[in-house]
Amino acid sequence: DQQVKQNSPSLSVQEGRISILNCDYTNSMFDYFLWYKKYPAEGPTFLISISSIKDKNEDGRFTVFLNKSAKHLSLHIVPSQPGDSAVYFCAASVAGSARQLTFGSGTQLTVLP
Amino acid sequence: DGGITQSPKYLFRKEGQNVTLSCEQNLNHDAMYWYRQDPGQGLRLIYYSQIVNDFQKGDIAEGYSVSREKKESFPLTVTSAQKNPTAFYLCASSKGFSGNTIYFGEGSWLTVV
Repeated sequence: DQQVKQNSPSLSVQEGRISILNCDYTNSMFDYFLWYKKYPAEGPTFLISISSIKDKNEDGRFTVFLNKSAKHLSLHIVPSQPGDSAVYFCAASVAGSARQLTFGSGTQLTVLP
Repeated sequence: DGGITQSPKYLFRKEGQNVTLSCEQNLNHDAMYWYRQDPGQGLRLIYYSQIVNDFQKGDIAEGYSVSREKKESFPLTVTSAQKNPTAFYLCASSKGFSGNTIYFGEGSWLTVV
């Protein structure tokens, strides 16, 4: 049973436009969410996170939105750049337990020049 | 520079052989983790360690073993009991075990031939 789902395996966006990557979760106990970016044959790098007490967190071109009632989070990248082309993983964890992250299956973002 | 170093980057193993993947961090992080990534799938947790001389099984620990004799080192042994060992293995660490982001190494490709 996948507790964190990224239903779009791939997304293509034109350079300069907005990229929106989506993530849904089923475990209402999740209270901390992260986005990682991964290039082929490299380890994921941390992008941005959000605690469940917030509904938005912004860092430069990256903004994460959290909708707790819908159990949905999204990552917005504005403007998109060709260097943003990578696989993006969302991850979630639960307070009070061992902070094991549960990862989604990833979305391949391709930014077209 | 602080970081997480995994070695080797690429490793070939014959069926029936054990192989050990190295993971060293100089970030002074307490917690360390091993994940496995298969094509089209998210990261799955193999083992984690919150503190020296202590480690816990993750979601897919069968066929793997670990040790944590030093804070900075968390080697993973892929044993011959692991049925499908060919994968991309990622080591990670975090400062604590609660409310902290985890950071990844560059990964190790293991191929069984």
